[in-house]
Amino acid sequence: AQKITQTQPGMFVQEKEAVTLDCTYDTSDPSYGLFWYKQPSSGEMIFLIYQGSYDQQNATEGRYSLNFQKARKSANLVISASQLGDSAMYFCAMREGNGFQKLVFGTGTRLLVSP
Amino acid sequence: DGGITQSPKYLFRKEGQNVTLSCEQNLNHDAMYWYRQDPGQGLRLIYYSQIVNDFQKGDIAEGYSVSREKKESFPLTVTSAQKNPTAFYLCASSYPGDRGNYEQYFGPGTRLTVT
Repeated sequence: AQKITQTQPGMFVQEKEAVTLDCTYDTSDPSYGLFWYKQPSSGEMIFLIYQGSYDQQNATEGRYSLNFQKARKSANLVISASQLGDSAMYFCAMREGNGFQKLVFGTGTRLLVSP
Repeated sequence: DGGITQSPKYLFRKEGQNVTLSCEQNLNHDAMYWYRQDPGQGLRLIYYSQIVNDFQKGDIAEGYSVSREKKESFPLTVTSAQKNPTAFYLCASSYPGDRGNYEQYFGPGTRLTVT
């Protein structure tokens, strides 16, 4: 079974609008962490935001916020006030358990921001 | 500036040749990783190392080998046994962090083409 599912291959948004990128996950471990990374066309992976399974509040980092719905096993990324530079691939990833663990990545969503 | 360097950015090889991809980090991180990315797909883990002189196979280790003789360096060798070596290869490192989230930092990647 897929551990991380990103069902949107591509998304379009106009500059200055907000956009939500979907991510659902599957785990039976009560302790886990969820990450979002951005991959521009140059290829490097840029860390955006982290949510721990025991965190009481949704994570926020500047224009990025994570809509964490534990019961539904979803961890959607919300980008507010989109900018042209936000056009990129976005990957959701999960670490199961505490301490050092491997990351499992979803297949990504390509976001295109238009003027 | 601290970071992860991968060289070269583009690499071309003939089928049947082994090739070694370089990964160096000056972040003083204990853990290092190698991922492979194919077009339209997420990242898949090849090998990882939690500490010097120790490494473990990831999900797609067949046809690859690694070494970890120094904390700063984690080279990946793509052997002739790898059936489909053409791909984008990303190296990463991590440390526990203030929140124990083990966020991974990525290098710029090496695009390997084998003909």
